[in-house]
Amino acid sequence: SQQGEEDPQALSIQEGENATMNCSYKTSINNLQWYRQNSGRGLVHLILIRSNEREKHSGRLRVTLDTSKKSSSLLITASRAADTASYFCATDSNAGGTSYGKLTFGQGTILTVHP
Amino acid sequence: NAGVMQNPRHLVRRRGQEARLRCSPMKGHSHVYWYRQLPEEGLKFMVYLQKENIIDESGMPKERFSAEFPKEGPSILRIQQVVRGDSAAYFCASSQGAGLNYGYTFGSGTRLTVV
Repeated sequence: SQQGEEDPQALSIQEGENATMNCSYKTSINNLQWYRQNSGRGLVHLILIRSNEREKHSGRLRVTLDTSKKSSSLLITASRAADTASYFCATDSNAGGTSYGKLTFGQGTILTVHP
Repeated sequence: NAGVMQNPRHLVRRRGQEARLRCSPMKGHSHVYWYRQLPEEGLKFMVYLQKENIIDESGMPKERFSAEFPKEGPSILRIQQVVRGDSAAYFCASSQGAGLNYGYTFGSGTRLTVV
């Protein structure tokens, strides 16, 4: 398995429900970031959590980080149809001489929110 | 603030031709990163540049691919003698600094199709 693996691979929910996506990684990190990508579009940065933080909120987004388990979760509350997109976690690590600025992305979770 | 600008949005090349992809970072950003995304996969790091310097090119294929970020003008990702396997979306990101918990702003990408 690779750094920054998300699960589930696909998630289908109804509008108003909460969506939870998980990410696991292997090496020590400086920070972990979540991005959203609408079909055929670029990535939008959602939230960054530092390695010394455990939880962070931004609007309807809540991110947790457990460095002992090398995992993170992204919770989207009260989902909307407009939240339909692919969500990627990316780690900015400093292991093995990796330079800063080199993000390692997972393969993403495809979220579909039905109206 | 126009964000990270990439052009062209779509590029079609015949096998053996050259592809030149351009990226203008956000105003005030001096760090540029190129990533490649194959269909239904996450992004893979290619190269990290600062003005006139390649900082980390560990993700670049050894042959046919080159990148530059001149003192003036956009960053250029150049692919010589393209092959079908080069077909992918190429994303550029920029940041104010490297690591140290800076978020990254991505462009909308260039979708290269090799026919």
